[in-house]
Amino acid sequence: EDQVTQSPEALRLQEGESSSLNCSYTVSGLRGLFWYRQDPGKGPEFLFTLYSAGEEKEKERLKATLTKKESFLHITAPKPEDSATYLCAVSWSGSARQLTFGSGTQLTVLP
Amino acid sequence: NAGVTQTPKFRILKIGQSMTLQCTQDMNHNYMYWYRQDPGMGLKLIYYSVGAGITDKGEVPNGYNVSRSTTEDFPLRLELAAPSQTSVYFCASTISGSKDYGYTFGSGTRLTVV
Repeated sequence: EDQVTQSPEALRLQEGESSSLNCSYTVSGLRGLFWYRQDPGKGPEFLFTLYSAGEEKEKERLKATLTKKESFLHITAPKPEDSATYLCAVSWSGSARQLTFGSGTQLTVLP
Repeated sequence: NAGVTQTPKFRILKIGQSMTLQCTQDMNHNYMYWYRQDPGMGLKLIYYSVGAGITDKGEVPNGYNVSRSTTEDFPLRLELAAPSQTSVYFCASTISGSKDYGYTFGSGTRLTVV
């Protein structure tokens, strides 16, 4: 059974304190690993897709990396506006782009 | 360009009532999905569609039905509402291609069954 596990469940950082969020996955034939940001009361917002081990993508203070078993979302010098829930999801070969989601990491960045 | 539009934003149903959650997208996406999100849980796939006239079950389809008569619209029907269907429902869409493109999500429908 395909599984996606995110850790930690919640993370509190001081502004400027860099850290990483983890997403471990088990899937037969990974097609893509996705990161989304979700603000309270809103739908998830797409951040990145990673396709193969060793791949990295960056956007502002965020950098996502991928290995054969896990992905990391690195947050460098975060600001309070980075506070959100970050969701990880995977799609698999042969699927109709369905995604299996993890339960998310709730990030709070304190000023 | 509105993206994915969901209506209503909030709804309270009594046990046994029925309702339709509306979802429309204006991006000409062929793939559309319905997910539910319970507190502290990941999104669970209810139904999906790869094009007009084609739908299939996801992980948690019981108690729901869908139809896809046009590319733009993908309504979700709840029959005989139960308290277990209290959740936030998200519609999403994407386009097929050689790579996976990220979903565009709607803003959600918060449903309470009492």
